[in-house]
Amino acid sequence: NAGVTQTPKFQVLKTGQSMTLQCAQDMNHNSMYWYRQDPGMGLRLIYYSASEGTTDKGEVPNGYNVSRLNKREFSLRLESAAPSQTSVYFCASSEALTSYEQYFGPGTRLTVT
Amino acid sequence: DQQVKQNSPSLSVQEGRISILNCDYTNSMFDYFLWYKKYPAEGPTFLISISSIKDKNEDGRFTVFLNKSAKHLSLHIVPSQPGDSAVYFCAASDYGGSQGNLIFGKGTKLSVKP
Repeated sequence: NAGVTQTPKFQVLKTGQSMTLQCAQDMNHNSMYWYRQDPGMGLRLIYYSASEGTTDKGEVPNGYNVSRLNKREFSLRLESAAPSQTSVYFCASSEALTSYEQYFGPGTRLTVT
Repeated sequence: DQQVKQNSPSLSVQEGRISILNCDYTNSMFDYFLWYKKYPAEGPTFLISISSIKDKNEDGRFTVFLNKSAKHLSLHIVPSQPGDSAVYFCAASDYGGSQGNLIFGKGTKLSVKP
């Protein structure tokens, strides 16, 4: 089992460019999440998907969109990147929204110049 | 306003001694608490958790204590090992509340010296 995988590992964007971060899990989990972690900060929830076909905003959704492509995959899109979106992005999954334990991917380090 | 606070950004401990990491919370609706460990360039990994109906949970060298009246929890690692050096995040959930997401503290970097 690979668990939760994320691509790419690193990305540098110019202000205004767009990109999609990919996430996939092979644990047959129903719920998936996108977090960002800034220096000296805890993880903050951007969007989550309770189950296939549903998505909801988290604490910091502005500037992002998500797609739950199927049960395995949950992508995060930056339509017009801004320097404030420079961060490390983590995808996570759990058996259900009410399952406390979440499994995290290795992260994508994004720099917007 | 931070709902989960880890007031010590770093902690240094000698190998073999006890490490105590602290976490305070403000939301009395939180009913489940977790600790995650994170190594550099990796995602957080689940370590141990505790329900609000308990005051202690043990798993090997790791014990979490919960003091609901003080809204405080702590993670004890005994004995500490160099491989325990990592950033530890405290997280809380009001599962019975909104979307069931986890609220994370800022983390405490633990260094265990040989």
